[in-house]
Amino acid sequence: EVQLVESGGGLVQPGGSLRLSCVASGFTFSSYWMHWVRQAPGEGLVWVSRMNSDGSRIDYADSVKGRFTISRDNAKNTVYLEMNSLRAEDTAVYYCGRPRSSGWAQVMDVWGKGTTVTVSS
Amino acid sequence: DIVMTQSPVSLPVTPGEPASISCRSSQSLLYSNGFYYLDWYLQKPGQSPQLLIYLVSNRASGVPDRFSGSGSGTDFTLKISRVEAEDVGVYYCMQGLQAPLTFGGGTKVEIK
Repeated sequence: EVQLVESGGGLVQPGGSLRLSCVASGFTFSSYWMHWVRQAPGEGLVWVSRMNSDGSRIDYADSVKGRFTISRDNAKNTVYLEMNSLRAEDTAVYYCGRPRSSGWAQVMDVWGKGTTVTVSS
Repeated sequence: DIVMTQSPVSLPVTPGEPASISCRSSQSLLYSNGFYYLDWYLQKPGQSPQLLIYLVSNRASGVPDRFSGSGSGTDFTLKISRVEAEDVGVYYCMQGLQAPLTFGGGTKVEIK
């Protein structure tokens, strides 16, 4: 079964850091781009970042550029999101997503259940 | 950045009746390969988003044929031919043409 499982969320103070993980199973992880998407409480979906299969191509939303870093370990079938200088507005459920086909940079047809990040003092 | 605008924001529907959601992009979503990079997602209450339609008009695996997508350039539409109770949730369009990828604000479909 194709599956994505996020973890690492929690409560953190403003200015703090957190690292999210997304473990993939059921498919050849090393062949796929991977994405992070977030959703603030009661709000819509916001794309955060993506990385290609070998880590040579990375894109970020302007709102997280310079503060968040996406990375992956293909040996561990895991994509990460390192979040620094966290702000209250980063409070959200963070989803990882996989594109429909290997080599595709978009069209996310596999999603995890999400992990919740709360930034508050 | 490409801005995605959806309408309406809220859509009360009667089961068995059709429904339509509009999505407009601030620039054409046509890529050099001839495809429009516009997708539709549904987020049912309490669930993760799920892919409905990709590249304007292609239904994702397992999506009922009552869902259809159309459009070109900057104007796109998602149609449900006969709404069922299980179709409630928030529908999002998303452009995948260029980074940053951007979603529309969402359309909440609810049963009257």
